[in-house]
Amino acid sequence: GQQVMQIPQYQHVQEGEDFTTYCNSSTTLSNIQWYKQRPGGHPVFLIQLVKSGEVKKQKRLTFQFGEAKKNSSLHITATQTTDVGTYFCAASSGSARQLTFGSGTQLTVLP
Amino acid sequence: KAGVTQTPRYLIKTRGQQVTLSCSPISGHRSVSWYQQTPGQGLQFLFEYFSETQRNKGNFPGRFSGRQFSNSRSEMNVSTLELGDSALYLCASSLTSGSGYEQYFGPGTRLTVT
Repeated sequence: GQQVMQIPQYQHVQEGEDFTTYCNSSTTLSNIQWYKQRPGGHPVFLIQLVKSGEVKKQKRLTFQFGEAKKNSSLHITATQTTDVGTYFCAASSGSARQLTFGSGTQLTVLP
Repeated sequence: KAGVTQTPRYLIKTRGQQVTLSCSPISGHRSVSWYQQTPGQGLQFLFEYFSETQRNKGNFPGRFSGRQFSNSRSEMNVSTLELGDSALYLCASSLTSGSGYEQYFGPGTRLTVT
């Protein structure tokens, strides 16, 4: 089945530093979604990307979809303690009707 | 608008027993998907129901089953529980079926099998 590789698995940053998580697929993706899960919580939808080379911003968060639609990234500028959590990408490709989730990147922000 | 609700929130069962989990989607949402979340395997797709029909199924044994009712509420059943079934079970609702729709997750049911 389709696999979406997400790196890094863990990231510790000092508050104010930037953070990036990456998702990669060997197949061309139809779309990719990003979710955030706070400790003890449930995944919450952040954004969806569907177009090649698409870039979307939400305040300090920047989401990119690669030109070949095989990779995506989430970049957080000047992290805050409220950014703590696990960030997941979720994607589908071809005729697949369901999303496949990446393994997630657990972000810790040190005050 | 009320969010996705799941009951019960916590459950402790013994190996060999069966369990039924319930999910009520957001009003107007017709698709319900179920996921198993464990520290080792991450978020794994179980199945999706839309208009009372199973649309997609993940790679789980037949002990895992589900159904959806006419009001879009969904139940998931696991029979002959194994220790490895201990996990957080999340359901997610979306407006309609397909991978291009935002999923709204419930708080999950934490199942512990002893």
